[in-house]
Amino acid sequence: QLQLQESGPGLVKPSETLSLTCSVSGASISSKRYFWGWIRQPPGKGLEWIGNIHYREGTFYNPSLESRVTISMDTSTNQFSLKLTSMTATDTALYYCASLREDPSQWDYWGQGTLVTVSS
Amino acid sequence: QSALTQPASVSGSPGQSITISCTGTNSDVGSYNLVSWFQQHPGNAPKFLIYEATRRPSGVSNRFSASKSGNTASLTISGLQAEDEAYYYCSSSAGSGTWVFGGGTKLTVL
Repeated sequence: QLQLQESGPGLVKPSETLSLTCSVSGASISSKRYFWGWIRQPPGKGLEWIGNIHYREGTFYNPSLESRVTISMDTSTNQFSLKLTSMTATDTALYYCASLREDPSQWDYWGQGTLVTVSS
Repeated sequence: QSALTQPASVSGSPGQSITISCTGTNSDVGSYNLVSWFQQHPGNAPKFLIYEATRRPSGVSNRFSASKSGNTASLTISGLQAEDEAYYYCSSSAGSGTWVFGGGTKLTVL
């Protein structure tokens, strides 16, 4: 069974860059069956898709965040990462990593989420 | 790319049925059958209930069913139970590898 675990700093200063990593076990991130995604949830609010990465098909980003987001993967460690630049208070959220299985298409496994607070 | 529209809250009594709507546009829900539904209890990660608009993964109760018509998808929960009290989110492919989520609906079991 797939398991995902987010890691990274819980506190980021305004204007700095957030770096988060998602460690995957139970499947290879180079599998052509899966996209790997980041989704966030501001406190008390709904879910917002940030972006996905696929080993062969590349990266896909939310147009509203695209100028600040980079998602990458490291097959040697079976991890994928999120970088979000120019952080502001509105980026304070619970950040989830998740797997998006292809055919059939389903967001089947999620990490527990990591809370990131933007504050000086 | 705008969030899909869901009612902020719905409620029902134990044993009743409720339906949660998820309205998008011709660019997302209306164009793809790649609609999913998720259940989220406070403090927990989302759990997926429905994929490809109407399909239920193994292990999910058959009290959960879903449909789609035009730009609107719907989740129906029958035989409401106290444990169903949670937030429910829809999501849809929006084309070109992008995805969009709904704002979420709080279900209260009276």
